[in-house]
Amino acid sequence: AQSVTQLDSHVSVSEGTPVLLRCNYSSSYSPSLFWYVQHPNKGLQLLLKYTSAATLVKGINGFEAEFKKSETSFHLTKPSAHMSDAAEYFCVVSSYMDTGRRALTFGSGTRLQVQP
Amino acid sequence: KAGVTQTPRYLIKTRGQQVTLSCSPISGHRSVSWYQQTPGQGLQFLFEYFSETQRNKGNFPGRFSGRQFSNSRSEMNVSTLELGDSALYLCASSRGLAGPNNEQFFGPGTRLTVL
Repeated sequence: AQSVTQLDSHVSVSEGTPVLLRCNYSSSYSPSLFWYVQHPNKGLQLLLKYTSAATLVKGINGFEAEFKKSETSFHLTKPSAHMSDAAEYFCVVSSYMDTGRRALTFGSGTRLQVQP
Repeated sequence: KAGVTQTPRYLIKTRGQQVTLSCSPISGHRSVSWYQQTPGQGLQFLFEYFSETQRNKGNFPGRFSGRQFSNSRSEMNVSTLELGDSALYLCASSRGLAGPNNEQFFGPGTRLTVL
């Protein structure tokens, strides 16, 4: 079985300050991990993904995430928040089950607010 | 290149009715996945179609079904609608089966309201 826990349902930061969105996962097999962003009334957009290569992954719009196996974490960070970063962010784990089928599990989401 | 399109964008139905949602993937993409998004349950995977065959399925009742046509366009059907089916239904397409090496591109979704 696998699961994803996004530790904060809401995060509020001021423009220009760092962003940290936390994600913990559990998986019986070597997982792939993703972060997606969803702006209001829009579909999801892939920010970055980890697929067992470099543990520090850089994505679009200045976001990055570090895969820490010992902590089973995949936190998303950005050095300086921009107003346009206000959106909902989803951490996603993907791995193959005993059945041989791939399972994709989404976290519950973190809503990021950016104050001027 | 056009993105994933979903029609209709908004839909209102009453309990007991059935509904069909449509998804047109990005040109060249052969996989289409469907997701349900609700405030209470979050994003949940419904099923994935590739080359007109269902390749992966989530834990939803049989009232939820889908199909894929030879041009990769997909439809999702929900029969005997319940109030709890009110949700944003998202479709995503990818070149191959969705996974680490096949990025999924999401459509804007169809918002279904069941009264």
